[in-house]
Order: sequence, then C-alpha cells, then structure tokens
Amino acid sequence: NAGVTQTPKFRVLKTGQSMTLLCAQDMNHEYMYWYRQDPGMGLRLIHYSVGEGTTAKGEVPDGYNVSRLKKQNFLLGLESAAPSQTSVYFCASSTSQSLSRTDTQYFGPGTRLTVL
Amino acid sequence: KQEVTQIPAALSVPEGENLVLNCSFTDSAIYNLQWFRQDPGKGLTSLLLIQSSQREQTSGRLNASLDKSSGRSTLYIAASQPGDSATYLCAVGNSGGYQKVTFGTGTKLQVIP
Repeated sequence: NAGVTQTPKFRVLKTGQSMTLLCAQDMNHEYMYWYRQDPGMGLRLIHYSVGEGTTAKGEVPDGYNVSRLKKQNFLLGLESAAPSQTSVYFCASSTSQSLSRTDTQYFGPGTRLTVL
Repeated sequence: KQEVTQIPAALSVPEGENLVLNCSFTDSAIYNLQWFRQDPGKGLTSLLLIQSSQREQTSGRLNASLDKSSGRSTLYIAASQPGDSATYLCAVGNSGGYQKVTFGTGTKLQVIP
C-alpha cells in the first residue's frame, strides 16, 4: 500500500516550457487535491477533484490545468511555466469531502519545481 | 476570509522539555481543526483532528486543544524527543469541505539532544 505518490520529485524548467506532474493513490479515494507551498505562506489549493472525470478550481488555479481520467490518478499541468510557479507541489487525497467526519487528507511527498 | 497564524515560526528546545505550539484563526465558525507534521522532503502527516464540538484530542505524547470562542488551538508535546523535530502545521476547516481548509505557515521545531 504505497498511499499517495508523486512523480517527479524534482524538476527544473525554463520559462515557457510545459510539464505534467503525476499524482497516484492506491486507497480508492474519491477526492484528490493539488496544493502549492511557498515560503512564508500556508499550503494553497490549486485544483481539486471530487471524482473520476471531474475537476474544480481552488484558490490559485491560474496557469495550471488538471485532469482526472482515472480515479487513482490526478494530473497537474503547466502549459507555459513562469518563475512565479517555482514552488513545492503537494498532492493529497481523501475518502470524504465532509469536514464533519473524522476523515483526513493523505499527502504525497511533494514535487520541488524550479522555473528559471 | 479565514486567516491562520502560527507563532513562533521556529522553536528550539532541549530534549525532555514539554512544549506548546500555538495556532490562531480569525473566523470561529469552523468545522474542524487539524495538526499536521511535515518532515523535510516529505508530505504532511495528520497528527490530530479536533471536531468543532470537541475541546481536545490526545494521541500518545500529543494533546491538541481547541477554543473556538478565542480562535485558538494549542498542540502540547510532552517529554520532547529529537525525533519530534519537524515543522508542525495547523489547518482549519470551514464549511464546504476540504476546498475550504486554510493552512497556517507552520512552526519549525528543533529538539536538541
């Protein structure tokens, strides 16, 4: 049971290049999330998905696209990378979206992205 | 808009000391509050989750309390160990599910042997 995995772990891009970050979970969770973490700021939600084939915008969605073609995978794409997208990206998944339950989110190890 | 603050940003204590980490939030209409641990190069691990109707939760040497009226939560770590060295994040959940969770910036804890 690997939990939540992210590929790649590190990446350096030049401005304008594109890339896709892959998140995979083997817990059969319906809900998946992409966050970015920047120094001095809390994690901020980029996009999320409430099930296979669905996606929705979070707090900071501009410059990113996502897809959830399979329940276990959630892809984050950068079409034209900018230095402002230098960050650590975390994927998470959860059984439920309801905060009234005791379910928690499970996080991947992160991808450190640098855009030059 | 919910704002979550964690002070101090960094803390260094000798091994064996009991310590308290603080989390404050501006909107008291919360569903729950979680404390996470983040180790360098790794993701977040949930430590304790407190529902809005609860006052505290305990797990081993960890005790988290919640005071909604004052907008505060504390994480108490008893008999600290070097293995407790990590960044501790507080996350507040408002209505609407996980897309409405607001994370604090964390307190980086170093426990010195």
